[in-house]
Amino acid sequence: RKEVEQDPGPFNVPEGATVAFNCTYSNSASQSFFWYRQDCRKEPKLLMSVYSSGNEDGRFTAQLNRASQYISLLIRDSKLSDSATYLCVVNMAQGSSNTGKLIFGQGTTLQVKP
Amino acid sequence: EPEVTQTPSHQVTQMGQEVILRCVPISNHLYFYWYRQILGQKVEFLVSFYNNEISEKSEIFDDQFSVERPDGSNFTLKIRSTKLEDSAMYFCASSDPGARADTQYFGPGTRLTVL
Repeated sequence: RKEVEQDPGPFNVPEGATVAFNCTYSNSASQSFFWYRQDCRKEPKLLMSVYSSGNEDGRFTAQLNRASQYISLLIRDSKLSDSATYLCVVNMAQGSSNTGKLIFGQGTTLQVKP
Repeated sequence: EPEVTQTPSHQVTQMGQEVILRCVPISNHLYFYWYRQILGQKVEFLVSFYNNEISEKSEIFDDQFSVERPDGSNFTLKIRSTKLEDSAMYFCASSDPGARADTQYFGPGTRLTVL
């Protein structure tokens, strides 16, 4: 089983649509969870952290289900500028440290059409 | 807003040559990382560095790779004898030892092309 697994898409949606991405991770010892956004040939940019209680940042809502080892991202009212690859990322911290290597999913490509 | 910077943006080299990729992490960050992304593939962890030593490294980070913090601002990745399969985007990242130590910020990357 892949460490972090995502549906690669692409998801092609019209402007204004709501779109949801899902991700599963294999290691139950994973400590922290994130969604990053990556534009073509650019660096990953942090979109938001993901907390067990669920968190929202404007049009973006992230959810974490530790029991199911499942992470989701919901984008409401899609904009053309949301077109990018969305990376599900897990921090594999070691011991008592809360820093550690990030494990990336393959990414889900979103194309928002006018 | 402080950023991680990387130089050069694109490096072309011949197989077997040594390359050094440079990074300037965010100034108050103390944890540093290198990742790579082969075209069309996912981002992969190479190495983490803290307190002037390697904290963790992946299987990819073999004896051909080394990292160094030669001064108070730079963080470098050296590949001693490049192979064709080293062609990739190399991203440097850093994180703050404070409350958000688990959040890593990435530089714009160096595209390495090995001919």
